[in-house]
Formats: sequence, C-alpha cells, structure tokens
Amino acid sequence: QKEVEQNSGPLSVPEGAIASLNCTYSDRVSQSFFWYRQYSGKSPELIMSIYSNGDKEDGRFTAQLNKASQYVSLLIRDSQPSDSATYLCAVRGGGYQKVTFGIGTKLQVIP
Amino acid sequence: DTEVTQTPKHLVMGMTNKKSLKCEQHMGHRAMYWYKQKAKKPPELMFVYSYEKLSINESVPSRFSPECPNSSLLNLHLHALQPEDSALYLCASSKEGLGYNEQFFGPGTRLTVL
Repeated sequence: QKEVEQNSGPLSVPEGAIASLNCTYSDRVSQSFFWYRQYSGKSPELIMSIYSNGDKEDGRFTAQLNKASQYVSLLIRDSQPSDSATYLCAVRGGGYQKVTFGIGTKLQVIP
Repeated sequence: DTEVTQTPKHLVMGMTNKKSLKCEQHMGHRAMYWYKQKAKKPPELMFVYSYEKLSINESVPSRFSPECPNSSLLNLHLHALQPEDSALYLCASSKEGLGYNEQFFGPGTRLTVL
C-alpha cells in the first residue's frame, strides 16, 4: 500500500480557472505536509507547508488539510500557463526526519 | 542566503570511475539529505545527516558513500556505479527541531553512467 497517493494526471485546466490537486496519506500520525512544484528537468521547489487542520493561504495558493480524512489538497486560483508543472505532495510521518513523496500530479494550464 | 548549491550540474562517468557530488548550504540548517530521482518518479531518500552524523541510510548500495565534513557541506562519493544509477541527484537541507522541518532542495546533479 502506497503511503502518499496522488493522481498522476495530467490535470488540464484553462487559464484563469482554479486547479485542485489532491493527496491522501496512510500514516495517521503524520505531522507535516508539504507541496512542491517541479518543472521538467528542475529540482522541487517548496510552495506550501501546512501543519494544522484547515486552510492556509499564500497568494494564489491555498493548502487544505483534513487529518481525520487523511487528506491534503492544493488549490491554485487564477491558474497561469507558468503554473504548468508537476506538483508533489510530501508528508512527514511518525518518523522524525523522513519525508515521503507522492508520485506527483502533472498540471497543464491551457492558454 | 536561502540557497542550496550543488556541483557539478552534469556528470558523465564510466563504471570504473570515482567521482564526487558536492552540496553546500548557508542557511544554518543542521539536517542535510541526499535524494535520487529517476524520470517521472518522486524523489527517493538515500541518506540523512543530522548534526553532521549519519542518521538515516535507506539501504543504499555501498558504491554510494556519503560524507558530511561540516554542518554546511555534504558530499556523495561515487564508485563503480551501474548504468541504472543514472538519475538526478538532489541535495536538500532543513532546520533541526521538532515538527516543522521544511526541506529546501538544491538544483541537482544530472548523472549519466556509461
């Protein structure tokens, strides 16, 4: 059983729309949750972190966490073609230092 | 300075060569990581150093040998690699402390083993 699950996509949205990226995890004691953006051939870039249930907003990005449902999501408002990338969900579980990554969702924003 | 740097950017080596990858951070972080990433796969943890001591080794073959000379530097020594070891090698760092350890990645070294 995978520890962090994401739909690999691609998820296609028109420019200006809201993109919704989802992630589920299996370790109930997970403490920290991260979203990374990775452009093709580049390294992952941290865009959001969330630790408590609820929403966290940063510019056009909103991360949502529901620990009871073991679910974390990332909303991107007013999507731009430059948002086209793979979005990796990462979860720090019961272990102290190890972070587990999902396979990533490829987002395509269509002009 | 909020950057993790890695050298070289690209490396091509034969199966009998010995080479090293280097990583440096100046964020005062006390944990450093090596990841391996194959195409269309997520980063795969290899090693974690915490306060300059190896704390996690994810059963990596001995042809990969990590070294942490000080809190800012991390090396990965490579010897007798196989073509299947070709990948993007990522270094990351994070603060130490409970809970909120965001990891910041360097640009990576693209390794090709012939």
